[in-house]
Amino acid sequence: EVQLVESGGGLVQPGRSLRLSCTASGFTFGDYAMSWVRQAPGKGLEWVGFIRSKAYGGTTEYAASVKGRFTISRDDSKSIAYLQMNSLKTEDTAVYYCTRDGPALRRDGYSDYWGQGTLVTVSS
Amino acid sequence: DIQMTQSPSAMSASVGDRVTITCRASQGISNYLAWFQQKPGKVPKRLIYASSSLQSGVPSRFSGSGSGTEFTLTISSLQPEDFATYYCLQHNSYPLTFGGGTKVEIK
Repeated sequence: EVQLVESGGGLVQPGRSLRLSCTASGFTFGDYAMSWVRQAPGKGLEWVGFIRSKAYGGTTEYAASVKGRFTISRDDSKSIAYLQMNSLKTEDTAVYYCTRDGPALRRDGYSDYWGQGTLVTVSS
Repeated sequence: DIQMTQSPSAMSASVGDRVTITCRASQGISNYLAWFQQKPGKVPKRLIYASSSLQSGVPSRFSGSGSGTEFTLTISSLQPEDFATYYCLQHNSYPLTFGGGTKVEIK
């Protein structure tokens, strides 16, 4: 059974940093790209960014709202994807979900499985 | 960036109704579109990918169609468990973008 478990959320002050983790099980993690999607309280879904599998270079793409502040990485040996969030703003307050993508992105699409989400609150 | 416009933003419908939700892209995205369902307090769930491919385990009353800039999600006979918010997602180009959502409520 595919499982994604996010951790690392919490309350953080504006300007500070936080790192989220997404621990995967039930599939060959290294074969898949992984995305992060967020949802502010009472709002819709917003794609944050993703990381390709190593077979496709392990490169990343980001939304304009987080580019330069957030970094996605992966450790295939541990089946974990990370979201490093720096220079946090109050508008980054949201539930952050990790999702599984691909493995062939054009054919299989994005976000077929989702974690339960972790809440990040940015407030002084 | 590609803008995804969903309509309507909210609707009321009865059990058994045929429901159609539309998603329009600001430029052509071929068939690189997915649909998601989110119930209150729950995690989103993918229903449709590649515009019309049904996700494994999703009831056949859900269907998707479209290509280019206009797409539809159809629920052929609305069931009580289908009352939720629905989102489209384009994955033709980065950044990926979601539609604003369509909330389907009970009439």
